[in-house]
Order: sequence, then structure tokens, then C-alpha cells
Amino acid sequence: ETGVTQTPRHLVMGMTNKKSLKCEQHLGHNAMYWYKQSAKKPLELMFVYSLEERVENNSVPSRFSPECPNSSHLFLHLHTLQPEDSALYLCASSYTVLSNEQFFGPGTRLTVL
Amino acid sequence: QKEVEQNSGPLSVPEGAIASLNCTYSDRVSQSFFWYRQYSGKSPELIMSIYSNGDKEDGRFTAQLNKASQYVSLLIRDSQPSDSATYLCAVYNAGNMLTFGGGTRLMVKP
Repeated sequence: ETGVTQTPRHLVMGMTNKKSLKCEQHLGHNAMYWYKQSAKKPLELMFVYSLEERVENNSVPSRFSPECPNSSHLFLHLHTLQPEDSALYLCASSYTVLSNEQFFGPGTRLTVL
Repeated sequence: QKEVEQNSGPLSVPEGAIASLNCTYSDRVSQSFFWYRQYSGKSPELIMSIYSNGDKEDGRFTAQLNKASQYVSLLIRDSQPSDSATYLCAVYNAGNMLTFGGGTRLMVKP
């Protein structure tokens, strides 16, 4: 399998559930990202990891918790979400965080009831 | 002022015409610029990158960069209905974080 993959592709959860989004990249990249895309809003950067270390946390609520166990895998743990958190969550990777081209996974469409 | 601005559109062009998509950015020190295409319900797909002033051509696509005017554009020649999508402009800011514009929706009519 090549590129950036994400699972699940669709997720419906209640506000009290705990779930996790998974991202895997097969490109040999060292940087990985989580973005949120809501309707009619620009892509919002949430978290950046470089060589498994978090380098950016863009004022994201603590109900979103990222984890990067190695340079190929990235998780987003979700807990006590709100309906306004419903969005498309996109994972991306790049060779480094320094101005490199980023490649996106297919995204997880999240609906919070 | 938004960091990266695009006209949301829709921009409607007839098949075979040139589509011109524009983007302005606020951070004067930005050095890397990208255009992504996003079909409805899909993730963004990188189509062009440009790093220096001038034009860069790739098939039917030409990216143009003018750092003095803080302006980057994308031209699509011989537009096809399959080009109908939202085009996202993205710019690395001073903090080396990629910032996206809101996107321009392009509609190519047969």
C-alpha cells in the first residue's frame, strides 16, 4: 500500500464516547500532521509531529489528544466531543516540517451526535 | 486580515477556456507556495508547487508567483469538466506552518 492511509473513513460517535483515528504513511516521511476541515472554513492545522516529537499544537481543545509512536503512524484520540467537532479530519505527511510538500490521506468524516 | 485569501467563487468557465485562480498572502517572508485540488468529498491533492518568482508550467497548469505583490495564481489551460473542483492555495508562513486559503470553487461547463 502506498501514500497516506486513514482509518476509519467514516465515524459516528456520541458525545460520551472515546474513539481513535489512525493515520499511516508509506512515503518515508519524517513529519506528520492533523488538520480539521469544517464546512465553509479553511483547513485548520491541529497538530504537527516531526520525528515523533510534537512541534506544534494550534490551541486545540484537550478533548483531542494526538499520539505519534513512530514516524509512520499518527493517532488522534477523541474523548467527550461536541457536535461542532463534526468535520473531515485529514492526516498529511511531508519529508520534513521545513516548507516541504505535504501529501494528504483520504480523511475521516466524523459526525458527533 | 486573513493570512491567505482566495475568492470563494464559484468561478464558471466554458470547456476549453483558460481558468485563472488567484491568491494573495500576508506574510512577506513566505517562500513556499502550493496549489491543491479538492474534489467534493475527497481530500486535497497537490497539483503544483512554486518557490521562486515567475511562471512554472506543468502540463495544462501554470503557477505564477509575484513575491513583491504577495500574489500567486494558477492558470488552467483547455479547461475540462473534470477540472471542476475547489482549488486551495497554501503558503508556508514565518513559523514554517502551512496555511490554507478558503479555496475557489471552479466549475467548467461543457
